[in-house]
Amino acid sequence: NAGVTQTPKFQVLKTGQSMTLQCAQDMNHNSMYWYRQDPGMGLRLIYYSASEGTTDKGEVPNGYNVSRLNKREFSLRLESAAPSQTSVYFCASSEIGLPTYGYTFGSGTRLTVV
Amino acid sequence: AQSVTQLDSQVPVFEEAPVELRCNYSSSVSVYLFWYVQYPNQGLQLLLKYLSGSTLVKGINGFEAEFNKSQTSFHLRKPSVHISDTAEYFCAVSESVGNEKLTFGTGTRLTIIP
Repeated sequence: NAGVTQTPKFQVLKTGQSMTLQCAQDMNHNSMYWYRQDPGMGLRLIYYSASEGTTDKGEVPNGYNVSRLNKREFSLRLESAAPSQTSVYFCASSEIGLPTYGYTFGSGTRLTVV
Repeated sequence: AQSVTQLDSQVPVFEEAPVELRCNYSSSVSVYLFWYVQYPNQGLQLLLKYLSGSTLVKGINGFEAEFNKSQTSFHLRKPSVHISDTAEYFCAVSESVGNEKLTFGTGTRLTIIP
């Protein structure tokens, strides 16, 4: 089925370890986003990519880096994980003309940093 | 910059009773408004959206929302809820010109009591 695929679904890291969260969409969308979801705080934008080759910081970018590898893929990297990065991470994509289509979300990656 | 306030973090409702989930927004420009639903352990799905025109918009699963510009509100309603409506509901806003990033509220957890 067409949509946004995130891997892995679950991950436990030790403080200081690094990892990359993968996201791929097969809807030919131009824009892609990474959000984190924490209890009582809703979804907060980490980074976004308006089009292939561009990335911009969102509301909470510290401690993260991103790569827009091609039009389909947008990865999120934690260089040195901290317990404060324990969260559920969602990737989303949208076509130019957001109002018509909204965002399509992946099913999330639940990350625990111990 | 835009912002969204969902004052009710949790709303318990008896099955077949009506429900209203409140959403207020703040923006210096005209906006588009969205409601998303998140079922347990899943990503977010678009429930409905307001772009322009009629202030009463209908979405999936019998939900509707009314845009009130003077009160800067976009409350979500359903006349009769079912057990399957148990989920977390997020209101979101984007500016109608230029910036297409969504800003989310903190969410309202709807619990249906049998």
